[in-house]
Amino acid sequence: EPEVTQTPSHQVTQMGQEVILRCVPISNHLYFYWYRQILGQKVEFLVSFYNNEISEKSEIFDDQFSVERPDGSNFTLKIRSTKLEDSAMYFCASSSQGPQETQYFGPGTRLLVL
Amino acid sequence: GDSVTQMEGPVTLSEEAFLTINCTYTATGYPSLFWYVQYPGEGLQLLLKATKADDKGSNKGFEATYRKETTSFHLEKGSVQVSDSAVYFCALSDRVRGTGNQFYFGTGTSLTVIP
Repeated sequence: EPEVTQTPSHQVTQMGQEVILRCVPISNHLYFYWYRQILGQKVEFLVSFYNNEISEKSEIFDDQFSVERPDGSNFTLKIRSTKLEDSAMYFCASSSQGPQETQYFGPGTRLLVL
Repeated sequence: GDSVTQMEGPVTLSEEAFLTINCTYTATGYPSLFWYVQYPGEGLQLLLKATKADDKGSNKGFEATYRKETTSFHLEKGSVQVSDSAVYFCALSDRVRGTGNQFYFGTGTSLTVIP
């Protein structure tokens, strides 16, 4: 069964450094998403991406964040100048139709900013 | 704005007990409703969904009915197993906004089933 994959599974970085989280969505899906889950809190939407551009973003997704689909398979989230509060689990998801359809999630990347 | 409220955990049940996890929502349009499950150390997996009022989603013995009159989508299972131990998330997606609309998740309810 096709699945969304994410790398790395865990990342530790120093405050102020840049990190890139990688995702490979399901191959025939057209819509891509990033979410984050701070420990003990709810899953929060960050951004959705369709047709090589951002469709919608939450207020969390400020200039510190960017997304890119550098090739036909990868979907990346870049976090510039990381802060302690960026420590969270980051989930990538994809869907074949719009976001009202089922979104399939990856296993997540646990980011720890020290 | 749109939001999802689900009952707080943790919930601890004995094997074969009846499970209910309450979920209510607020939406401006006509949302689709979902339950996702997160097993320890894993990502979110779709458990079931319902796309319109009175629809019932079901999977692996779990059920939830989309109740527009009470804006609810409570998750139920008649007889839980130890393997059902996980965190359960209620979520909605609001179709009014069209392409690029976001999912809204509840805070998650942790379920532990003891033998």
